[in-house]
Amino acid sequence: DAGVIQSPRHEVTEMGQEVTLRCKPISGHNSLFWYRQTMMRGLELLIYFNNNVPIDDSGMPEDRFSAKMPNASFSTLKIQPSEPRDSAVYFCASTLRGANVLTFGAGSRLTVL
Amino acid sequence: GESVGLHLPTLSVQEGDNSIINCAYSNSASDYFIWYKQESGKGPQFIIDIRSNMDKRQGQRVTVLLNKTVKHLSLQIAATQPGDSAVYFCAEMGPQFYFGSGTKLNVKP
Repeated sequence: DAGVIQSPRHEVTEMGQEVTLRCKPISGHNSLFWYRQTMMRGLELLIYFNNNVPIDDSGMPEDRFSAKMPNASFSTLKIQPSEPRDSAVYFCASTLRGANVLTFGAGSRLTVL
Repeated sequence: GESVGLHLPTLSVQEGDNSIINCAYSNSASDYFIWYKQESGKGPQFIIDIRSNMDKRQGQRVTVLLNKTVKHLSLQIAATQPGDSAVYFCAEMGPQFYFGSGTKLNVKP
């Protein structure tokens, strides 16, 4: 398996633009997590899905952030409109529900100017 | 919850020495813990785990200790190598999914 695949690896955009981050979990995994990492706040859980259903989105900072999982092999995290304070590395991770050993992707580094 | 750090605490050790990285967790209901290693430019990777019904677990060159009384975890790395240089996170993986602020391990050759 190629592991958790995230795209893009790097994105630089201007304030106000829409940003879409993508994630393909490991085949067979049925839980998917989105984390944000910054120096100030470390790794923060934004949202997680079980069987494509959002379970806990209490970490989503505000309405500008939205996440979807239309099927078992794909998820998106969207920021609209983006702001400079959204600059961070966004990680996607997947696991078998109940196993709770997360396998992380390589991350998407977002810079909002 | 965990404190928000403006910078990562750093542990510097000499190659070949043993390293001990500590972590405090907040939720007494947490029943599963994992230590992750994050190298520069990569996502966190699983090192070792421990359930709350255990107080010690050993892997290859790594040992995790759990003290539920004071809600404390430690990761011990034996014979530390340059390849161990990374940021180490403890994580509560049930019922919440919460990462600690991390410790940077710097191994001097």
